[in-house]
Amino acid sequence: DAKTTQPPSMDCAEGRAANLPCNHSTISGNEYVYWYRQIHSQGPQYIIHGLKNNETNEMASLIITEDRKSSTLILPHATLRDTAVYYCIVRVPTSNTGKLIFGQGTTLQVKP
Amino acid sequence: ETGVTQTPRHLVMGMTNKKSLKCEQHLGHNAMYWYKQSAKKPLELMFVYSLEERVENNSVPSRFSPECPNSSHLFLHLHTLQPEDSALYLCASSQDPWSRELSPLHFGNGTRLTVT
Repeated sequence: DAKTTQPPSMDCAEGRAANLPCNHSTISGNEYVYWYRQIHSQGPQYIIHGLKNNETNEMASLIITEDRKSSTLILPHATLRDTAVYYCIVRVPTSNTGKLIFGQGTTLQVKP
Repeated sequence: ETGVTQTPRHLVMGMTNKKSLKCEQHLGHNAMYWYKQSAKKPLELMFVYSLEERVENNSVPSRFSPECPNSSHLFLHLHTLQPEDSALYLCASSQDPWSRELSPLHFGNGTRLTVT
């Protein structure tokens, strides 16, 4: 079962910030939150991950609430090439290996 | 170039055929994965290999047989498949699947399999 909840779809205007929310209310204290995206006809691409502090890299920013029950991925200036399915993932806590369970994700449509 | 190369990109096979999917990673990673992505469904983890040893088998039918001869190569051998096995098969690799803070998975672009 997916351990995260995301809206199925979102629209964003080109050049504006895209804010993608994710709920993970059952996350345990030492589990990380990971974000991937999948552009049509390609494999998923890693974006960013975090534990409890906000994180930023060249692709995006990740804001995690203080209680860690939700997070938001921010694409600061969305482009048409950011149109993709975005996955928010936490690792299965009973697994010792890199077992990431992908949910349905959020389909982000960036419009001109 | 993703660093993870999958061949072929497209494959059509009959239910009685035997075929193999190939994955190669050029990233020096020591873990490799097979995922299945069916239409309108999330990615499903099939197998995980760490240092050429299978460490996860997610209740996958025996008609799918993985092989990891070394840390750079991963195969998925297919035989007696069903039409419902038609899907995108994705290979991924990562540096260390055991640590609490997982290193990112690097995916190939997949093999689109159609079983007729």
